[in-house]
Amino acid sequence: KAGVTQTPRYLIKTRGQQVTLSCSPISGHRSVSWYQQTPGQGLQFLFEYFSETQRNKGNFPGRFSGRQFSNSRSEMNVSTLELGDSALYLCASSLGKAGGGNEQFFGPGTRLTVL
Amino acid sequence: GENVEQHPSTLSVQEGDSAVIKCTYSDSASNYFPWYKQELGKRPQLIIDIRSNVGEKKDQRIAVTLNKTAKHFSLHITETQPEDSAVYFCAASSSGSARQLTFGSGTQLTVLP
Repeated sequence: KAGVTQTPRYLIKTRGQQVTLSCSPISGHRSVSWYQQTPGQGLQFLFEYFSETQRNKGNFPGRFSGRQFSNSRSEMNVSTLELGDSALYLCASSLGKAGGGNEQFFGPGTRLTVL
Repeated sequence: GENVEQHPSTLSVQEGDSAVIKCTYSDSASNYFPWYKQELGKRPQLIIDIRSNVGEKKDQRIAVTLNKTAKHFSLHITETQPEDSAVYFCAASSSGSARQLTFGSGTQLTVLP
């Protein structure tokens, strides 16, 4: 099976702009979670989507949003970019079965730089 | 919410020695504990995980132990090799938010030849 893919891999934006990142999960996986990775804050959970519905949300401002399509592909959007949004954005896919312990597999990430 | 603490932040060992990384968690409802390895410039890779109904799990040179009473879990790597050098992250999640992983701050492991 093909792994999790993310596009684009690198992105440079300026403050105030908005950006959309895309994630395609492993075939058959219905859950997509997004994480932000920075040297200072480490890996932080943004949100999780399952069957086109947001099921969990981390502690990020409303500028960060996402959605999921019927084919399980997911996008996240960041509006009004700030310098502090520069990070590696990772998505992870899992089967999304009920209960805990679903293994999550990460994509290669999108490196966002805000100037 | 869940809080995961990870120690040490850096660890250097001689090739062939063992390495141990420890994590503690705060939420007693957490029941799934994966470990990820991230090499420089690459994605985190799941290397082993453990669920709360078992105390230990092994996979070749890697093992994870869980102490639910004390709320801590550890990664053990035996016979370390230079290719084990990477950042290792522990994480925790509960069944109520199964795909919301809370990560530790990471351990930079360096295996010296």
